[in-house]
Amino acid sequence: ETGVTQTPRHLVMGMTNKKSLKCEQHLGHNAMYWYKQSAKKPLELMFVYSLEERVENNSVPSRFSPECPNSSHLFLHLHTLQPEDSALYLCASSPIGPGAQETQYFGPGTRLLVL
Amino acid sequence: RKEVEQDPGPFNVPEGATVAFNCTYSNSASQSFFWYRQDCRKEPKLLMSVYSSGNEDGRFTAQLNRASQYISLLIRDSKLSDSATYLCAVRSNYQLIWGAGTKLIIKP
Repeated sequence: ETGVTQTPRHLVMGMTNKKSLKCEQHLGHNAMYWYKQSAKKPLELMFVYSLEERVENNSVPSRFSPECPNSSHLFLHLHTLQPEDSALYLCASSPIGPGAQETQYFGPGTRLLVL
Repeated sequence: RKEVEQDPGPFNVPEGATVAFNCTYSNSASQSFFWYRQDCRKEPKLLMSVYSSGNEDGRFTAQLNRASQYISLLIRDSKLSDSATYLCAVRSNYQLIWGAGTKLIIKP
């Protein structure tokens, strides 16, 4: 399945590094999401973009910086992360608008380890 | 109280048995409800949406109880391949709020 792709799939970085996660959706959706998933915890919504405008930022630390250049691409820029930021980062997309089911479809995720 | 709660399990069930689990939500104004399945080290995948009238897809049946504020998932004739974590998601205030998931293990 290639509806939503994410790269890289795995990432190990030091606390002083800068890296970016990339997400691309091929479903024609107009909303995209970043989630963090830690072990045995619910999915935590980080950012939402609707029609390329950020509509949600759930008190995410500034060391995470999203970018949405168009409706098909979403980035998460990382800098000076902490070990507790180690998690699975999932990108999702959905249709929005009147009558849309707004079901979210996920990419395979980036498994991040911060040393 | 958490917004969306699930029994973490694991539910250990013999192959062929019927298993059911619930997901409770706190916001009575919630608009949409979903069940997702997540395999180990994979992404969540939509299993089914939950409609007010309930819905069925093969061996899977989802129900919504608005009065008691929970949704349920019933799996009949369980298969080994049904082993996974089942996540519920509830749309409240234009966001999807997620449960932490119920782990299901089907044993031969």
